[in-house]
Amino acid sequence: DGGITQSPKYLFRKEGQNVTLSCEQNLNHDAMYWYRQDPGQGLRLIYYSQIVNDFQKGDIAEGYSVSREKKESFPLTVTSAQKNPTAFYLCASTLSPRTEAFFGQGTRLTVV
Amino acid sequence: GENVEQHPSTLSVQEGDSAVIKCTYSDSASNYFPWYKQELGKRPQLIIDIRSNVGEKKDQRIAVTLNKTAKHFSLHITETQPEDSAVYFCAASLHAGGTSYGKLTFGQGTILTVHP
Repeated sequence: DGGITQSPKYLFRKEGQNVTLSCEQNLNHDAMYWYRQDPGQGLRLIYYSQIVNDFQKGDIAEGYSVSREKKESFPLTVTSAQKNPTAFYLCASTLSPRTEAFFGQGTRLTVV
Repeated sequence: GENVEQHPSTLSVQEGDSAVIKCTYSDSASNYFPWYKQELGKRPQLIIDIRSNVGEKKDQRIAVTLNKTAKHFSLHITETQPEDSAVYFCAASLHAGGTSYGKLTFGQGTILTVHP
């Protein structure tokens, strides 16, 4: 849907476990992004990648890690160091620097 | 870094009325301002955007205005319909030095409810 696929839609994990969220796009977009959304709040940038094998920290990168080994894939790992990981995670991509961002359907992560 | 403030947090209107949502930003270098609509549990979808070299942009019932001097921009929805009910987010971005429009700072969101 929309060329950006996030999986799974819902994810449950025990506290202290690392978990990896998948984001795949077939739009041939250069840049990809991860955002976190908490209830009643706006989205906050976790990490972004402008090109393959390169990524930058966003505003709330602590406790997260990413990789960009392929243009179409940008997985996000939520580590045990993330103090409050329960949230709605959204992946986005842009075709070029001056084009709008398209979002995936999101993954709702619940840590119990 | 950039900071975006959005008001009001909730907005309730009658069908057919107009709705206005306002945002202010802190970084005068920001040059791209999109608005996203998000329905419950779904992804944000771009409804309109404006670049800093333009003061106003319209798309059917939706318009956005930008005042660079005051560092604020607004979303105007006319002839509202129940299907306009959703959460609306404003955002700001700076395209410079290799960064792109996808590196966004979002406002806190406005829950718009349109009553039939």
